[in-house]
Amino acid sequence: ETGVTQSPTHLIKTRGQQVTLRCSSQSGHNTVSWYQQALGQGPQFIFQYYREEENGRGNFPPRFSGLQFPNYSSELNVNALELDDSALYLCASSLERNPYEQYFGPGTRLTVT
Amino acid sequence: AQSVTQLGSHVSVSEGALVLLRCNYSSSVPPYLFWYVQYPNQGLQLLLKYTSAATLVKGINGFEAEFKKSETSFHLTKPSAHMSDAAEYFCAVRKDSSYKLIFGSGTRLLVRP
Repeated sequence: ETGVTQSPTHLIKTRGQQVTLRCSSQSGHNTVSWYQQALGQGPQFIFQYYREEENGRGNFPPRFSGLQFPNYSSELNVNALELDDSALYLCASSLERNPYEQYFGPGTRLTVT
Repeated sequence: AQSVTQLGSHVSVSEGALVLLRCNYSSSVPPYLFWYVQYPNQGLQLLLKYTSAATLVKGINGFEAEFKKSETSFHLTKPSAHMSDAAEYFCAVRKDSSYKLIFGSGTRLLVRP
């Protein structure tokens, strides 16, 4: 139990639609990262937020965007969904004083048809 | 650029046998290295981490890993496999000065009774 929760657990969307995934971290975890894990692969870094500002971005297009809120929750938004966006989306949070230990949530399984 | 390579997408061992999961890294500077475990339909759980302290790192569930700079390796071992160890294991390296994790492609551990 990492104290990081994600919702929804599963989601089915149609190509071209938009989706919002949510993550809730533990109190004090002011850094949150989002990863995409395609089937049979390791997680790929999407972006990271620190104190509500984007702090780094991986090789993902601008239609992937995020928000981080003062209550240690965050969102991942994906516009104009494509079939290849089907994946498990993981969020991970960490304490400022222990940034090397990231706590992962259980993930949201997104299927795009 | 930092990266990790996990040799063997699948490893099968008998219950009670030694577990050895291989990870090699490429990094121009001393890296921070991690092993995560992922059980079916779950997120990632941190097993252990190397952060430039002792080269032999002990983690949870009886796992340990040894950092060998000369071999650029960080292999994961466990003396005696248990059925509950069956899962996907990911090696990861922290990228540069950010907290971004770069994951290997994973190794699925199968434990035979």
